[in-house]
Order: sequence, then C-alpha cells, then structure tokens
Amino acid sequence: GESVGLHLPTLSVQEGDNSIINCAYSNSASDYFIWYKQESGKGPQFIIDIRSNMDKRQGQRVTVLLNKTVKHLSLQIAATQPGDSAVYFCAENIGTSYGKLTFGQGTILTVHP
Amino acid sequence: KAGVTQTPRYLIKTRGQQVTLSCSPISGHRSVSWYQQTPGQGLQFLFEYFSETQRNKGNFPGRFSGRQFSNSRSEMNVSTLELGDSALYLCASSLGPPPLHFGNGTRLTVT
Repeated sequence: GESVGLHLPTLSVQEGDNSIINCAYSNSASDYFIWYKQESGKGPQFIIDIRSNMDKRQGQRVTVLLNKTVKHLSLQIAATQPGDSAVYFCAENIGTSYGKLTFGQGTILTVHP
Repeated sequence: KAGVTQTPRYLIKTRGQQVTLSCSPISGHRSVSWYQQTPGQGLQFLFEYFSETQRNKGNFPGRFSGRQFSNSRSEMNVSTLELGDSALYLCASSLGPPPLHFGNGTRLTVT
C-alpha cells in the first residue's frame, strides 16, 4: 500500500508579518544547530547556524534562538515576504561529525501577499 | 563560485538494477555528504567522505555505497534497486567544518 508521509506542521502568514518557526531537537549532546530553507525542486539552502555556547544569533532578517534547557530551537523571520514561502528544516550535529546532520521533519511556511 | 552540482537530475530505473549518482562539490570543499529525502522519512543521512575516506555512515543497508575521488568529487551507488529506494538523493559539501551546502539533488524513480 501507499506509505504514510510525514505530516508537516504548517505556518501561514501575511506579507510583512514576522514569522516564528519552532523546532524541538532530540539529543542533549548536540552542539551545533542549523536552519535550512527548501523550495520546491531545489536542495536545502543554508539560512543560519548557531553553536551550543550561544543562545541567540542574528542574520539578515533572521534570528535563531536556542534554549538548551528544553531542547528547543526557533527561527524568526522579520517582515516575511512571499519569496520566503518554502519548507524550513532545523538540523542538529554532534562533535566533529560535521557532515552528519540529523534533520527535523520540517515546517511549511506560506506567505500570502 | 559554482555550487554543488549533482548529475543526473532525474533517473528512472527498474527494480533489481543498479544506479550511480555523481556529485561535484564546491571548489575547495573536501567534505562530501549524501542524504536521502522521502515524503515518509524526511531527510536521512547516508554517508560522509573527507579526503577520500568514509568518515561516517548512516543506517542504510550495504546496497548503498559511495566513494570520493582525489579531486573531492563523489559518487554513490545503489545496487539491486527496490521500489522503496525511490527518493531525492542530495549531496552536500563543506570545507570540513559546517555549514553544509546542498546541491539540488537527483530524483530517482524505481519502477
């Protein structure tokens, strides 16, 4: 029979709003975290990363917050634009296994003009 | 600077066949990783190569293998294809430390 796909969380916002995408990670030993954006037909695109010795990092229109106590990561996008519509993934990494990322299930962000 | 290039973009194979996918990393990047993306399992790590050596391997059967050449280009091979191997196969490269930079993938369909 047909396999059951992941049921991705969805977030729908209006253009110009701020968006917050949340992610719970699994391994308390993870020391590096990264956010990717994936548009249809393309591979994941790097957005921003953060190490476990930080709790906040800012980029252009994006901020990542890390709460190690509750193993929670969030991505804030300011002044969301239609071009931000995509699937967003968080991923975690441990130690020096840099190429081995463990990805979350993803969140579908839809921005309405 | 050119990004990660994966060839071919699309492949259709029959059960039982084998397939080879190719990846050219960003110039200067020595680490190449491979991932499988499916609707059911999401993005899953296959393996990582650095300076021609496999550094990490994910939880996939031995039918999945890879290698890296001295110019950092990498190939992955899947033998005895099964219907469940239908997926988007993604290659990513990095200097060594993160972040990983992904290509646009090879879409494999097994019939």
